[in-house]
Amino acid sequence: QKEVEQDPGPLSVPEGAIVSLNCTYSNSAFQYFMWYRQYSRKGPELLMYTYSSGNKEDGRFTAQVDKSSKYISLFIRDSQPSDSATYLCAMRETGGFKTIFGAGTRLFVKA
Amino acid sequence: DTAVSQTPKYLVTQMGNDKSIKCEQNLGHDTMYWYKQDSKKFLKIMFSYNNKELIINETVPNRFSPKSPDKAHLNLHINSLELGDSAVYFCASSQVRASEAFFGQGTRLTVV
Repeated sequence: QKEVEQDPGPLSVPEGAIVSLNCTYSNSAFQYFMWYRQYSRKGPELLMYTYSSGNKEDGRFTAQVDKSSKYISLFIRDSQPSDSATYLCAMRETGGFKTIFGAGTRLFVKA
Repeated sequence: DTAVSQTPKYLVTQMGNDKSIKCEQNLGHDTMYWYKQDSKKFLKIMFSYNNKELIINETVPNRFSPKSPDKAHLNLHINSLELGDSAVYFCASSQVRASEAFFGQGTRLTVV
């Protein structure tokens, strides 16, 4: 079993839809949870990060962490064609150097 | 004023050759990384250096050798290239143990 599981998609939605992206994990020591966005032929860029459980909102993006279920989510409201990219979840233990990435979910938002 | 820059961006080479990829960051970070991303977009850490000291060395063939001449540079040398080495290699940097890592644009390596 991989430490971090993420459905690779692709996920195709119409413009304006609410998108839900998810990851599950097995390591209960993970405390830092990140979402990266990667456009085609570019490097990943950090979108959101959360420490421990709870929600965090930034504009159209909301990150949720449920440590009891070992489940994290990224919601995108009012999705735009410019949101079309691969979204990678990532996690790290407190004090750890190593960040573990999910496989990435490819998202297409159709105009 | 690119934050993390890698050269070259594209590299096509024959099996058996030796090649190097260079990485430089101007963010003042003390930790640098090499990641490998395969054709399915899976991003896996290979090495990490903190202040020129190797702190992560994943199960990577010893044909891959990182070198950090100073904390702003982390190069990757690959000996005896194999077809399976074809991938995109990303350099990244962060403050030690920080959540946010800044990635370079990647080096697309194709071994033929």
